[in-house]
Amino acid sequence: EPEVTQTPSHQVTQMGQEVILRCVPISNHLYFYWYRQILGQKVEFLVSFYNNEISEKSEIFDDQFSVERPDGSNFTLKIRSTKLEDSAMYFCASSVAGGRHTGELFFGEGSRLTVL
Amino acid sequence: LAKTTQPISMDSYEGQEVNITCSHNNIATNDYITWYQQFPSQGPRFIIQGYKTKVTNEVASLFIPADRKSSTLSLPRVSLSDTAVYYCLVGDGGALTFGSGTRLQVQP
Repeated sequence: EPEVTQTPSHQVTQMGQEVILRCVPISNHLYFYWYRQILGQKVEFLVSFYNNEISEKSEIFDDQFSVERPDGSNFTLKIRSTKLEDSAMYFCASSVAGGRHTGELFFGEGSRLTVL
Repeated sequence: LAKTTQPISMDSYEGQEVNITCSHNNIATNDYITWYQQFPSQGPRFIIQGYKTKVTNEVASLFIPADRKSSTLSLPRVSLSDTAVYYCLVGDGGALTFGSGTRLQVQP
């Protein structure tokens, strides 16, 4: 069964450092997403990406964050100058459809980011 | 975005049918109702999606009344492995808004 893969599974970084989280979406999917979940809290939408540009983003996704699809397979989330409150599980997701009636989102297993 | 309300937690025993109801009084015409399951330290996993009436797949059924202001996820004959958090989401796009979900605990 096709799946969304994420690397690294866990990253520990020092406050102020830059982090890049990587995702390989399912190959025929066109819409890509990043969500995060702070320990014990809700899953929060960060950003959606389609046709090489951001289609929607939340208030959380400020200038500290950026996304990129550097090649035909990877989808990355860059967090510049990490803060303690960026510690969370970051989930990548992809879907075949988007916009109205997105249907099923396929989530990866997550990348746990710990900022010290 | 339509707000959803669902029970914080539920307990059940193996082999029982579990019904989790979600209310979404201000659902919009274009909104679909989707349920996800999440195990600890894992990404959410799609269970089922519907617009109206009843939808059934190999793992669950989704019942939606005519006014669409609520929906019920039905899990037949739960097992210990169904212990998880279940989220009801309402919307029509990929920017999903997760609530707190319902924590289902299945006991032997």
